[in-house]
Amino acid sequence: DAKTTQPTSMDCAEGRAANLPCNHSTISGNEYVYWYRQIHSQGPQYIIHGLKNNETNEMASLIITEDRKSSTLILPHATLRDTAVYYCIVRALDGGSQGNLIFGKGTKLSVKP
Amino acid sequence: DTAVSQTPKYLVTQMGNDKSIKCEQNLGHDTMYWYKQDSKKFLKIMFSYNNKELIINETVPNRFSPKSPDKAHLNLHINSLELGDSAVYFCASSYGPTASYNSPLHFGNGTRLTVT
Repeated sequence: DAKTTQPTSMDCAEGRAANLPCNHSTISGNEYVYWYRQIHSQGPQYIIHGLKNNETNEMASLIITEDRKSSTLILPHATLRDTAVYYCIVRALDGGSQGNLIFGKGTKLSVKP
Repeated sequence: DTAVSQTPKYLVTQMGNDKSIKCEQNLGHDTMYWYKQDSKKFLKIMFSYNNKELIINETVPNRFSPKSPDKAHLNLHINSLELGDSAVYFCASSYGPTASYNSPLHFGNGTRLTVT
């Protein structure tokens, strides 16, 4: 079962920042927070991941709270092509099945003109 | 160049048939996976595999079997297809045995299987 909780859906105006929250209150010390997205009819696409520090790459920023019980994915300037289902996943460093990505229901982000 | 490619993109077949879906990755990864996405859009892992270890999700029927001729390929064989097998199947790959190298998974674009 997924160990994260996300809102079912969100809307965002084109050009504005999209802030997608995720709760992972039972996260363990050896688990990273991963974000993926799935655009319609495509495979999941890796966005970013982090352990406890905030992370930024060319796609997004990841803000993780100090207690690591929640995080926020930020798309700084959302475009229509960012419309997708966004998945927040916790994933262990250890080998074996604990390292597999377990997808929840995700957040359907709709970017509107 | 497609990093993780699956063939075919669409597969329509009748109940009881045996079919295979092929997956190839050119990323040099040594771990590959199969995921199933059902009609409700839930993505569930079926297998993870490298040259040392096959980890099977216990809910996967034994009619499904992964076959890896080399570390760049992981094919999915399905015997005696059933209506409930209709879904989109995604292949993925990463570095390291599952997660110990903390390597993101790269996914293919899926194979839509329809069993009639």
